[in-house]
Amino acid sequence: NAGVTQTPKFRILKIGQSMTLQCTQDMNHNYMYWYRQDPGMGLKLIYYSVGAGITDKGEVPNGYNVSRSTTEDFPLRLELAAPSQTSVYFCASTFGTTTNEKLFFGSGTQLSVL
Amino acid sequence: GQQLNQSPQSMFIQEGEDVSMNCTSSSIFNTWLWYKQDPGEGPVLLIALYKAGELTSNGRLTAQFGITRKDSFLNISASIPSDVGIYFCAGQNRGSNYKLTFGKGTLLTVNP
Repeated sequence: NAGVTQTPKFRILKIGQSMTLQCTQDMNHNYMYWYRQDPGMGLKLIYYSVGAGITDKGEVPNGYNVSRSTTEDFPLRLELAAPSQTSVYFCASTFGTTTNEKLFFGSGTQLSVL
Repeated sequence: GQQLNQSPQSMFIQEGEDVSMNCTSSSIFNTWLWYKQDPGEGPVLLIALYKAGELTSNGRLTAQFGITRKDSFLNISASIPSDVGIYFCAGQNRGSNYKLTFGKGTLLTVNP
């Protein structure tokens, strides 16, 4: 059982380049999330999805876009990379069928924008 | 938005010592969770707390959900080298689509 899988593990971008961070889960979870982690700052929510075809902004959505065409996949798109987007990105998922749900995280994508 | 204050920011302890860290919030949460992050990995859930006043253990870890719903603490007893990592508290509310609000983390270093 793979859980939440993120690719790539590391990436270096030049300012203005674009890229897509991939996230897939094999647990049939309805809810998926993208967080970014900056040193000493905890994790901040970028975007989330409550099911295929439905996405919504989190706390820090500017500069990012997402789509959710299937239950399994939730890619995060950076259109014009900026140095402020240098961070570690984590994808997470959960079922969303009870009052309290635990999130399961992928192992992260470390992105540097130079 | 809701803010979580987690302390201490970092701890350096000797193997075998007990550790305590806590988290306070400006507003209430229905659920408190504690995660651990190893270097190069994503956070892994340690303990989830669902009721005010609840005290829950997971091996050498014990966590409590504060009576006011605005705080939680995590204790680690008899620390070992593999306890090294960053510990995060997180709060969750009903009706929030299970979104988590995270503290800034406590970096734990254990000297063998």
